[in-house]
Amino acid sequence: SQQGEEDPQALSIQEGENATMNCSYKTSINNLQWYRQNSGRGLVHLILIRSNEREKHSGRLRVTLDTSKKSSSLLITASRAADTASYFCATDLNQAGTALIFGKGTTLSVSS
Amino acid sequence: EAQVTQNPRYLITVTGKKLTVTCSQNMNHEYMSWYRQDPGLGLRQIYYSMNVEVTDKGDVPEGYKVSRKEKRNFPLILESPSPNQTSLYFCASRHRGGNTEAFFGQGTRLTVV
Repeated sequence: SQQGEEDPQALSIQEGENATMNCSYKTSINNLQWYRQNSGRGLVHLILIRSNEREKHSGRLRVTLDTSKKSSSLLITASRAADTASYFCATDLNQAGTALIFGKGTTLSVSS
Repeated sequence: EAQVTQNPRYLITVTGKKLTVTCSQNMNHEYMSWYRQDPGLGLRQIYYSMNVEVTDKGDVPEGYKVSRKEKRNFPLILESPSPNQTSLYFCASRHRGGNTEAFFGQGTRLTVV
């Protein structure tokens, strides 16, 4: 069951620009997480936002969560070439943590 | 170093030849899971385990088996691989209780011919 859907599927920007990716989901969640994947390698956790939080920051990352709209966004400010990767949102459906469901991802390309 | 280790990283096999992909974590995590990643489909959960001797099916369990005899290990078994199981496989682990991040292995690229 595909819970999260990222938008856009692909994004190309120049270094220094901001990148915004969106995630929509279908059912109620315990939290929402964003992960990054470099070219077929393992996923790396970026940030977790709980269902009772609206915004969270980590370095150049800003995540928002709107549970009424069942959506989240990931903003990467001042993008660098090294940010080129695929970004996935994952929804944690229960407090037990047994159902971490991933979307299909957004592929970000940052050119210098 | 905290890590999830998968082996092998790459594997080419023939249809019907049983294989095992190993996964081991050194973080004493209760939860472990297997995902497969296919172009256009994202990551889909195959099986997960909440603790030793406790496993359950994910979204795409057909054709796979798992076992959890020790807390650190969670092997994925393909008893009779078929070409539609050609994929990139990831093992992940996390602490119990939700609101925790998942740690991923580096992936196993499996080709079944």
